[in-house]
This record gives sequence, C-alpha cells and structure tokens, in this order.
Amino acid sequence: SQQGEEDPQALSIQEGENATMNCSYKTSINNLQWYRQNSGRGLVHLILIRSNEREKHSGRLRVTLDTSKKSSSLLITASRAADTASYFCATVDSGNTGKLIFGQGTTLQVKP
Amino acid sequence: NAGVMQNPRHLVRRRGQEARLRCSPMKGHSHVYWYRQLPEEGLKFMVYLQKENIIDESGMPKERFSAEFPKEGPSILRIQQVVRGDSAAYFCASSPLTGYYNEQFFGPGTRLTVL
Repeated sequence: SQQGEEDPQALSIQEGENATMNCSYKTSINNLQWYRQNSGRGLVHLILIRSNEREKHSGRLRVTLDTSKKSSSLLITASRAADTASYFCATVDSGNTGKLIFGQGTTLQVKP
Repeated sequence: NAGVMQNPRHLVRRRGQEARLRCSPMKGHSHVYWYRQLPEEGLKFMVYLQKENIIDESGMPKERFSAEFPKEGPSILRIQQVVRGDSAAYFCASSPLTGYYNEQFFGPGTRLTVL
C-alpha cells in the first residue's frame, strides 16, 4: 500500500495563483520529501522536512508537516506556467536503507 | 558533474524478449536505487544496490527480474521474457549516502514498451 497519498490528484490554476497540495502517510517518519516530475522526465528533489520541523521554506515553496495528523502540505506561491508538473511526496522506509516510498502524486497545471 | 544517466531512454520489446536497462550514477555516488512507474501512478521501489552488492530487493518481482551493480560500469536492471505488464518507466536514482536523510538524484528514466 502507498505510504503517501496526495490530494488532490489533479489541480488546475491560473498563473500567479497559489497551489496547495496535501500528502498523508501512514507510519512514523524521520523526514518527508517532495519531488517534482515534469512530463516524461525524471524526478527532481524539491525539499526535505524533518520530523521535528513544522515548516520549511525554499524560494516560492513552503512545506508544512503535522506529525500528529500524519500529513504534509506543499504550497507553491505565485505560480508560473513552468510549475506545471506532477508533485510527489515521499517518505523513507523505516529500514534505514534510504529507499523512498512515494505517493500517487498531484498533477498541477498552471495556465498562462 | 554529469547527472544520473540512463540508457536507452526508450526501449521497445516484443513479448518473450529480454530488456536490459542501464544506469550510470553520479560521480562519487555508490548507492543506486531502481524504481518503476506505471502509467498514472507514483514510483514503486524495486531494488537498492551498492557496488557489487544487492542490499534490498524487496520490491523486485520474484521471477524474470534481476539487477546488478558491478565494480566497474553501470548498474543493470534486466527483465527476461518480458510481458505486456512490464511496460512502464524505470527510473534509477543515486545517492552518496544511505539512511534516512539521503537525497536521491534521479535519472531521466527508460520507458519500456512491450508489444
């Protein structure tokens, strides 16, 4: 079963608007990571938030983590057409081999 | 520093043939992970290797699939006697570290189509 599940599955917004994607997970974690995948390409690491952090910023990205609810959100502010991509949350398996467990992803479309 | 390289980018095979996917990790990275992505789905872990060792193959199908990461050369994911259900994008990722806080760098993927 998926560790992370994103919500919504698809999101369509206008350029300049904010986009919020949510991720829920099932087991305890050390950290949660967000990745972006442009159509037909590999994944790009966006941000990692540790379990003892509640919020983290990177440029136009803001990630929050609520370990009591086992959920995280990714906010992209002032979106651009180039932000159009699929976004995945991932947690690290508890076995400490570093393998990532991905959610189903949110497909974001930013219309110019 | 070149990124993770995968080849071929696209591979077409007929049912029953063998598919061989190659992954060259980033320079200095000794940890390689393989993931499979079915259409409209997230990535699923397949196998984790270090040089000459398979560390975790819990995500690999029991039959027809094998992986290696030799002392010299790229990591290879081999699928024997491919079936239509093997059609997917296969991504490898490399990391200089292992454990909970490693950042993985992904290659562009190999898209396998089985006719």
